[in-house]
Amino acid sequence: DIQMTQSPSTLSASVGDRVTITCRASQSISNWLAWYQQKPGKAPKLLIYKASSLESGVPSRFSGSGSGTEFTLTISCLQSDDFATYYCQQYNSYPETFGQGTKVEIK
Amino acid sequence: QVQLQESGPGLVQPSGTLSLTCALSGGSTSSSYWWSWVRQPPGKGLEWIGEIYHSGSTNYNPSLKSRVTISVDNSKNEFSLKLSSVTAADTAVYYCARNGDSFRSYMDVWGRGTTVTVSS
Repeated sequence: DIQMTQSPSTLSASVGDRVTITCRASQSISNWLAWYQQKPGKAPKLLIYKASSLESGVPSRFSGSGSGTEFTLTISCLQSDDFATYYCQQYNSYPETFGQGTKVEIK
Repeated sequence: QVQLQESGPGLVQPSGTLSLTCALSGGSTSSSYWWSWVRQPPGKGLEWIGEIYHSGSTNYNPSLKSRVTISVDNSKNEFSLKLSSVTAADTAVYYCARNGDSFRSYMDVWGRGTTVTVSS
């Protein structure tokens, strides 16, 4: 299985900050990577697919980049609604696997 | 607008079979989408369980493959998950989801999830 490792596991930030989360794959996954946002008690919400494509309806302050084994999710100007846990997912090969999550907390 | 809703028993006996159904509204399981199941143990991350197409073609996570069956009933516009020989490690929130792009894909529409506890 392809292992997905996110860093950091927890991130403390303030409204207005620029935030970057990294996801590393144990082998190349081309650009077959998605990012999700999950709030407590809710289902994950798709933010980014194919590493850098913004899902319809997702604010433009979210962006994704990377290819191969290293990827980043950037929130350009953190809003109060963005405090949540973020997961990356590779879908290059079976089984699809997720990172362990990055919790973005209020500083 | 496609919506998914999971249903099924919230409590399952150890060694029993977990059975869940995902009902689709605003769309059709017969459309050109694959449909997935994902689970999340309490306080932990997400685990992909498997996926199905309207034809009945399936792909499963090898770690669960011996215990998992995913099926689809296009006449009822729903798909289902069965997980046999469950243990406490199978306690989780179970989500059904739509694949955004064919098989082996990101998931763009999710159900709200249903909590299943394995306990006697």
